[in-house]
Amino acid sequence: AQTVTQSQPEMSVQEAETVTLSCTYDTSESNYYLFWYKQPPSRQMILVIRQEAYKQQNATENRFSVNFQKAAKSFSLKISDSQLGDTAMYFCAFTAMYSGGGADGLTFGKGTHLIIQP
Amino acid sequence: DTAVSQTPKYLVTQMGNDKSIKCEQNLGHDTMYWYKQDSKKFLKIMFSYNNKELIINETVPNRFSPKSPDKAHLNLHINSLELGDSAVYFCASSQDQQALGSGYTFGSGTRLTVV
Repeated sequence: AQTVTQSQPEMSVQEAETVTLSCTYDTSESNYYLFWYKQPPSRQMILVIRQEAYKQQNATENRFSVNFQKAAKSFSLKISDSQLGDTAMYFCAFTAMYSGGGADGLTFGKGTHLIIQP
Repeated sequence: DTAVSQTPKYLVTQMGNDKSIKCEQNLGHDTMYWYKQDSKKFLKIMFSYNNKELIINETVPNRFSPKSPDKAHLNLHINSLELGDSAVYFCASSQDQQALGSGYTFGSGTRLTVV
């Protein structure tokens, strides 16, 4: 069974600062995807960024980037030039790929509540 | 056009009642899911259907029964509601394994309150 751990229940930074959210996971699978989802107060789940385990290059989406360390099973999210609209819960999530096909469900961490202060 | 739509968005009901939450996706995805988010915001998968076939059935009370009439719909029926069933329920969908890079798409959630 897979597990995802987010060790920071809450973080607070000033607007325009850079912040890094940590995530570690445990799996015996070799092929998998990792995701960061954002959940603002509207409760909508929004995909922020994704990483395929077989790709060594770290994913980047505008101000969001990840530091993927496969050997250490670490997948942190860096938000640069943070904005007030980044205030939300952030969830790290994992899904395995199996040779038999079919999509597996997401295993989530417990989330980090990120607060951007003006 | 909403990609994954759930109805209702809010549901308040009394203990012991039976209720249903509906979900529809227009993305052409093969797999649909139900997730439960508890009061501490923890998200856990409940069920997964691939092409109308049950794939994942996590340990949930058998009062919860998913029904998939076709690939685009996955409804959740709950019998004999209990206070502990109060939560936000999310429907989601995904493409098959080969296209998982596109991620999972979530509905906007249904907040169920049992009183």
